[in-house]
Amino acid sequence: EPEVTQTPSHQVTQMGQEVILRCVPISNHLYFYWYRQILGQKVEFLVSFYNNEISEKSEIFDDQFSVERPDGSNFTLKIRSTKLEDSAMYFCASSNSPSRLAHNEQFFGPGTRLTVL
Amino acid sequence: AQTVTQSQPEMSVQEAETVTLSCTYDTSESDYYLFWYKQPPSRQMILVIRQEAYKQQNATENRFSVNFQKAAKSFSLKISDSQLGDAAMYFCAYSSSGSARQLTFGSGTQLTVLP
Repeated sequence: EPEVTQTPSHQVTQMGQEVILRCVPISNHLYFYWYRQILGQKVEFLVSFYNNEISEKSEIFDDQFSVERPDGSNFTLKIRSTKLEDSAMYFCASSNSPSRLAHNEQFFGPGTRLTVL
Repeated sequence: AQTVTQSQPEMSVQEAETVTLSCTYDTSESDYYLFWYKQPPSRQMILVIRQEAYKQQNATENRFSVNFQKAAKSFSLKISDSQLGDAAMYFCAYSSSGSARQLTFGSGTQLTVLP
């Protein structure tokens, strides 16, 4: 069964460093998302991406964040200068189509745990 | 903006018994989707069940069913014949049917299944 994959599973970085989190969405999916979950808290939407551009972003997704689909398969989230409060689990998700038939089901990857020291 | 509220931070159920997890939401939209996701200790997000707001019939998936009350903006999850593997954090989530498809999650309910 197709699945969303994410690498690495755990990333440790020093404050101020840049990190890139990678995701490979399901191959025929068109909509891509990043969410984050600070330990013990709810899952929060960061950004959605469609047709090679950002379609929606939340207040969390400030200038320190960027997303890219560099090669038609990978979908990346870059944090330019990490802060302690960026420590969280980051989930990538993808969905097929906005049509009712697809029910807008988003398939989640296993997450990348980011630890900023 | 839409909000999703789960008022039960923790719930427990005896194995083989039935448990209901509550969720309420606030929206001004008439067409939307509602979901329940399960997050086991591995922290993987797994879709349990979904409901389209335009459908009056409550969704069911094997032992999982929902009670969708659109007027009350309530969307509860019933787990029948609870199993040890059902132990997890359960998140209720909302999605617009419009172009903004992101999920808005509740704060979660930690379900413990007692043997």
